[in-house]
Amino acid sequence: DAGVTQSPTHLIKTRGQQVTLRCSPISGHKSVSWYQQVLGQGPQFIFQYYEKEERGRGNFPDRFSARQFPNYSSELNVNALLLGDSALYLCASSLDLGASFEQYFGPGTRLTVT
Amino acid sequence: DQQVKQNSPSLSVQEGRISILNCDYTNSMFDYFLWYKKYPAEGPTFLISISSIKDKNEDGRFTVFLNKSAKHLSLHIVPSQPGDSAVYFCAASAVGGGADGLTFGKGTHLIIQP
Repeated sequence: DAGVTQSPTHLIKTRGQQVTLRCSPISGHKSVSWYQQVLGQGPQFIFQYYEKEERGRGNFPDRFSARQFPNYSSELNVNALLLGDSALYLCASSLDLGASFEQYFGPGTRLTVT
Repeated sequence: DQQVKQNSPSLSVQEGRISILNCDYTNSMFDYFLWYKKYPAEGPTFLISISSIKDKNEDGRFTVFLNKSAKHLSLHIVPSQPGDSAVYFCAASAVGGGADGLTFGKGTHLIIQP
């Protein structure tokens, strides 16, 4: 079975632009979470979606938004990009809500803002 | 303020010996703890977890110990193998997990020397 897939792999954007990152969860998984990993830090929670509804949000500005589609895939949008948004963006899927349900991570999208 | 702390950025261990990775947390609401392993250019991979109702969980060469009173957990790898060289993240979650996602430490880079 395919794991979590993310696209694109790498992306370079200019300050002020907007970006959309995509994630396809493992087949059968209904929950998708997004994390931002800045160099030298651990992943930081941005959003969790379950059954197309936002179920959790981390401490990120409103420039960050996401959605989940009927097929459970998800998009993360970031508007008005700042240099500090440069990071690895990780998507994770799980069968259901709750920490006891293992989260499977994708390889990430490396975003560079210049 | 970091709620999950991994105070050793790196750790070097000889092949065949025991590797001990440490993690401290400050949030008393955390009740589920996980260890993830990350290779370069890949997403984090789940390794082992422990619920706050236990003080030890074992899976093959990997054992996680939880000391709730000290708010401390550790991951033991015995015996250490070259393939264990990776960055290890400690993560924690409160009941339900979804609303706040997983809170990660900064990671410890484990290097297994032949």
